[in-house]
Amino acid sequence: DAKTTQPPSMDCAEGRAANLPCNHSTISGNEYVYWYRQIHSQGPQYIIHGLKNNETNEMASLIITEDRKSSTLILPHATLRDTAVYYCIVRVAANAGGTSYGKLTFGQGTILTVHP
Amino acid sequence: GAVVSQHPSRVICKSGTSVKIECRSLDFQATTMFWYRQFPKKSLMLMATSNEGSKATYEQGVEKDKFLINHASLTLSTLTVTSAHPEDSSFYICSARGQRTSGRAIYEQYFGPGTRLTVT
Repeated sequence: DAKTTQPPSMDCAEGRAANLPCNHSTISGNEYVYWYRQIHSQGPQYIIHGLKNNETNEMASLIITEDRKSSTLILPHATLRDTAVYYCIVRVAANAGGTSYGKLTFGQGTILTVHP
Repeated sequence: GAVVSQHPSRVICKSGTSVKIECRSLDFQATTMFWYRQFPKKSLMLMATSNEGSKATYEQGVEKDKFLINHASLTLSTLTVTSAHPEDSSFYICSARGQRTSGRAIYEQYFGPGTRLTVT
């Protein structure tokens, strides 16, 4: 699976949009971009994923550049409860074959701190 | 989403004993389950992947005789840490993927809340 690069930390004011960047310049055509977050001492929580189109759900929006080499996770109105480590992960499609099928490999992520 | 539970949430055991951690998918059939370990201030490290009814596939460097994984049903996987030592103290997290009872596939991995193991 392709490697991702994220800033180690970011700050955001409560109520403002949090924009978390991720670089995945070596992404392959059959690899999806997944975002998870981990609040302290809890298991990771799935946020969103996408292939090439922008995606939106009740938690966040995912903007993927046209060349797919980078993406941005947007939390439109950050709250204090959004303080967490955010992981951007690239993974082959779940219905693809190969030994890496289905595995999520976590990097160091971005520590997002939302302050009042 | 989908719900994954783990039990216990915390366990303290003495060195040399074995500890079993359960992971359950509550509202879907978990055809594939994953076990991760996370040390303080570190990221999650995948230990093994198991498909229901098959033997687990362990990541390089993970001792399969020490970390026994059983995935005998579509809703339950267990991780047994045998002859635990203080260096096995960690946060163990399971994850699952599979399908709803309706047959709709769940490609995302959903994670349990984790189990904090302390070996004294």
